[in-house]
Amino acid sequence: GAVVSQHPSWVICKSGTSVKIECRSLDFQATTMFWYRQFPKQSLMLMATSNEGSKATYEQGVEKDKFLINHASLTLSTLTVTSAHPEDSSFYICSARDRTDYGYTFGSGTRLTVV
Amino acid sequence: GQNIDQPTEMTATEGAIVQINCTYQTSGFNGLFWYQQHAGEAPTFLSYNVLDGLEEKGRFSSFLSRSKGYSYLLLKELQMKDSASYLCAAEGSKLTFGTGTRLQVTL
Repeated sequence: GAVVSQHPSWVICKSGTSVKIECRSLDFQATTMFWYRQFPKQSLMLMATSNEGSKATYEQGVEKDKFLINHASLTLSTLTVTSAHPEDSSFYICSARDRTDYGYTFGSGTRLTVV
Repeated sequence: GQNIDQPTEMTATEGAIVQINCTYQTSGFNGLFWYQQHAGEAPTFLSYNVLDGLEEKGRFSSFLSRSKGYSYLLLKELQMKDSASYLCAAEGSKLTFGTGTRLQVTL
């Protein structure tokens, strides 16, 4: 089946630094990828839709200058959390749609802790 | 707007049957997904309903009523490993998730 690889699995960074999270579709091309954030015991909240070769579409309330998304190829999207603060600590998950089975395949997630 | 409602928590006994309900309101509805998520892990795909009716897949079945904005996930012959969160997600212009139902399977 479709596989989405997400790295790193976890990262600890100092407040004020930037962190890059990568999401790759391994065996299919994904013109669109999605980035979610999940706080403990809460559901997934869509942050932005990443479109290959064009600007990302951000959900209301998500700062585009803080969460930089780049989708330079059909298999890679990156999310960079800039000037991270402790309140950005969360579980970040990417997903892509594999048209063969109608499902959205999710990456394994990245646990970000900002200290 | 978009709104997804499902119970927060449920408890059931090993070997039993449990039904997790989900009601949704979303513009441009395409279909309804169910995902399983274990703590600290990404969601895994369980089912996708587009048409009204019941879709059966092994121990798991999912039902959809588009006119009522209602779906349920039915888990049969519960096993301890089924303890997880179950997320209902409605696909419209985007995929919107409910808060998830934490299912605890007990002996």
